[in-house]
Amino acid sequence: GAVVSQHPSRVICKSGTSVKIECRSLDFQATTMFWYRQFPKQSLMLMATSNEGSKATYEQGVEKDKFLINHASLTLSTLTVTSAHPEDSSFYICSALPKGTGQGEQYFGPGTRLTVT
Amino acid sequence: EDKVVQSPLSLVVHEGDTVTLNCSYEVTNFRSLLWYKQEKKAPTFLFMLTSSGIEKKSGRLSSILDKKELFSILNITATQTGDSAIYLCAVEPYNTDKLIFGTGTRLQVFP
Repeated sequence: GAVVSQHPSRVICKSGTSVKIECRSLDFQATTMFWYRQFPKQSLMLMATSNEGSKATYEQGVEKDKFLINHASLTLSTLTVTSAHPEDSSFYICSALPKGTGQGEQYFGPGTRLTVT
Repeated sequence: EDKVVQSPLSLVVHEGDTVTLNCSYEVTNFRSLLWYKQEKKAPTFLFMLTSSGIEKKSGRLSSILDKKELFSILNITATQTGDSAIYLCAVEPYNTDKLIFGTGTRLQVFP
């Protein structure tokens, strides 16, 4: 089956620093990848849609200058949390939609837990 | 505004019980509804439903969609402790690949 990896799985950083999270589709090409955020005991909130070779589309209320998304290839998207603050601490999950897929099945990465101290 | 609501938010049962999880939605241009199970990490896919009235089944889990009443249910029979998880419902509208997630139902199954 389709596999999506994320790196790192867990990261602790100091307030004011930037953190990059990678999302890779390992055995398929993904023209579209999605970035979600999940607070404890809450559902997934879509942050942005990342399309290969073009700018990401951000959901309302998500600061694009703070959460930089780059989708440089058909198998890699990165999310950079710039000038991180404790309130950015969360579980970040990416998902990838296989190229040519007409409907529905996004494949999720294992998630990255970010803690900002 | 598109939204997906799940109920109950939380459910505690004993092994062997049968549970029914609910998902209702208000979405413009509905295309499909998906159920996921989330344990400690990312969600894992359970079912995708597009047509009304057709039950999807996998072992002890089954799900059905009612497009007229705008809801879906997920049934789990003979629950086991390994079924303990958050169950997420998501809806995909047409003309977008985005998923709109519901609030989730946290299921705890005790021996």
